[in-house]
Amino acid sequence: GAGVSQTPSNKVTEKGKYVELRCDPISGHTALYWYRQSLGQGPEFLIYFQGTGAADDSGLPNDRFFAVRPEGSVSTLKIQRTERGDSAVYLCASSLTSAGTQYFGPGTRLTVL
Amino acid sequence: GESVGLHLPTLSVQEGDNSIINCAYSNSASDYFIWYKQESGKGPQFIIDIRSNMDKRQGQRVTVLLNKTVKHLSLQIAATQPGDSAVYFCAEKNGANSKLTFGKGITLSVRP
Repeated sequence: GAGVSQTPSNKVTEKGKYVELRCDPISGHTALYWYRQSLGQGPEFLIYFQGTGAADDSGLPNDRFFAVRPEGSVSTLKIQRTERGDSAVYLCASSLTSAGTQYFGPGTRLTVL
Repeated sequence: GESVGLHLPTLSVQEGDNSIINCAYSNSASDYFIWYKQESGKGPQFIIDIRSNMDKRQGQRVTVLLNKTVKHLSLQIAATQPGDSAVYFCAEKNGANSKLTFGKGITLSVRP
């Protein structure tokens, strides 16, 4: 079956702009996660959804970052007033349940000029 | 603080040899551990996992060993192939949280 998909695969934006990154989880997976990966580092947790609600947003670095999952499936990560330090690969993962194996998408590479 | 780290940044092995990738973790509350493989330009790919009530688990050509006494995790790859070349991450979580905490990764390079 289809895995986790993310769009766009690459996004280049200018400092100060607003961006939206989309994640389509594996069908039927109730849990969805966003991570951020900088070059040479492991992924770092941002936010976790169980169904439509954000169960843990402790990893969001500041209030410029926001994520939604209105229907419990697709999720959008939104970044306002982007900064050069936001440049990274943003990874999405989903799992059947909150205790299940997390399967990752290919990521969106965000570059802020 | 909580951390998951890897002992070596790179590992070079001869094709056909066995590979051992090591990982140390510091959170004694962690009860679930996972190894991921990440190829260039792709997301992490699940390899194998182990829960804290086990000390060994085998998959196809891979074995994960967990030593809770010294907080050590290892991934063994049998008969390493060129397609095994990638960055490998160990990750952990505890039952109270669903988020994964990753180490920095180790690059496995397979020599033909």
